[in-house]
Amino acid sequence: RKEVEQDPGPFNVPEGATVAFNCTYSNSASQSFFWYRQDCRKEPKLLMSVYSSGNEDGRFTAQLNRASQYISLLIRDSKLSDSATYLCVVVRPSGYSTLTFGKGTMLLVSP
Amino acid sequence: DVKVTQSSRYLVKRTGEKVFLECVQDMDHENMFWYRQDPGLGLRLIYFSYDVKMKEKGDIPEGYSVSREKKERFSLILESASTNQTSMYLCASSFPTSGTSSYNEQFFGPGTRLTVL
Repeated sequence: RKEVEQDPGPFNVPEGATVAFNCTYSNSASQSFFWYRQDCRKEPKLLMSVYSSGNEDGRFTAQLNRASQYISLLIRDSKLSDSATYLCVVVRPSGYSTLTFGKGTMLLVSP
Repeated sequence: DVKVTQSSRYLVKRTGEKVFLECVQDMDHENMFWYRQDPGLGLRLIYFSYDVKMKEKGDIPEGYSVSREKKERFSLILESASTNQTSMYLCASSFPTSGTSSYNEQFFGPGTRLTVL
């Protein structure tokens, strides 16, 4: 299993739709997880952290399932401005806690 | 406002040339990172530094070196550029991580698209 795996998409959804992305990770010792967002031809930016209890930030909800080693991101009421690539990120549990990035899932929201 | 800047947005070099990519951050971050991003491969860590004059290899250090003489500046060096080093190069910085469960956000620069002919 790869360190971090994501479905590359693209996910094509209409405005107002709810869309969910999943990501799986291979190292069961991993403790910290994040979603970053990368707009076309721009740098990645932190979207939100992922906590065991789940966390919500407006229309975005992140969940962690440690038993199955997957992370999810749910976007409700999609906006055109949500069109981007969403990167699943896992902090390596050893050494200098560097980040491992998934290859990203592309979301396209259409009018 | 947090800022990471990179010396060039686009760069074209010839095979065999020595290439310097510069990154500067104004946030007093201890950690700095160099990644490359390629279609289908995602972001991969080349080198990082957790302090001035300190460096650590990332996942793909071959063909690269780095220099960190000042806290705010982290340079990536391609000693002899090759066509397979054509890529988008992204620099990032962060405060240090403390403990196994805490983490500090990485802030990225806008990237340098390097083409090696």
